[in-house]
Amino acid sequence: DAGVTQSPTHLIKTRGQQVTLRCSPKSGHDTVSWYQQALGQGPQFIFQYYEEEERQRGNFPDRFSGHQFPNYSSELNVNALLLGDSALYLCASSSVPGGWNEQYFGPGTRLTVT
Amino acid sequence: AQSVTQLGSHVSVSEGALVLLRCNYSSSVPPYLFWYVQYPNQGLQLLLKYTSAATLVKGINGFEAEFKKSETSFHLTKPSAHMSDAAEYFCAVSKNRDDKIIFGKGTRLHILP
Repeated sequence: DAGVTQSPTHLIKTRGQQVTLRCSPKSGHDTVSWYQQALGQGPQFIFQYYEEEERQRGNFPDRFSGHQFPNYSSELNVNALLLGDSALYLCASSSVPGGWNEQYFGPGTRLTVT
Repeated sequence: AQSVTQLGSHVSVSEGALVLLRCNYSSSVPPYLFWYVQYPNQGLQLLLKYTSAATLVKGINGFEAEFKKSETSFHLTKPSAHMSDAAEYFCAVSKNRDDKIIFGKGTRLHILP
């Protein structure tokens, strides 16, 4: 049973550029949540996608956007990158029967903005 | 608004000793509470979850946590530490089964030989 997968593993971008991160949920899951984990901090909720729509959103600017595809996979897009966007980006999947807050996390994408 | 506070950003215990990681929560409603573990360069793994059933929750790898409403606490314990327990531990809260999860800042557990 495949768990949550994310790509790429690492990424280096320059300030002002745009980046797209990808996530495939655990088999049987239909909901994807994205988190930003800065160095030495706990994960912070960015947003959650269900049925291809943004269901909940945390306190992140509009530069952060997402998408969910019919196969439940998801993308996180960040525009106009800032140095402060450097972090580990975690994707988590869940499903309605288990409760949207019972989340299974992927290994993350390490984004470095220079 | 929900929040959690983890006391101690670093905790060191000797191998075989009791592990105690502290977490206090703030919630306007009966909360869902979680403990997650993160090993180096990996994502988070759910250790255990409290959902207002039993106040003592048993998780994986020998960990357990007790919900104490009077103290607004949800401390994580393990009777005997193992070297493989060295990792970052996060306490988290959610106001219901479908709401977003709010994480604490984490406690790094060091195991001394």
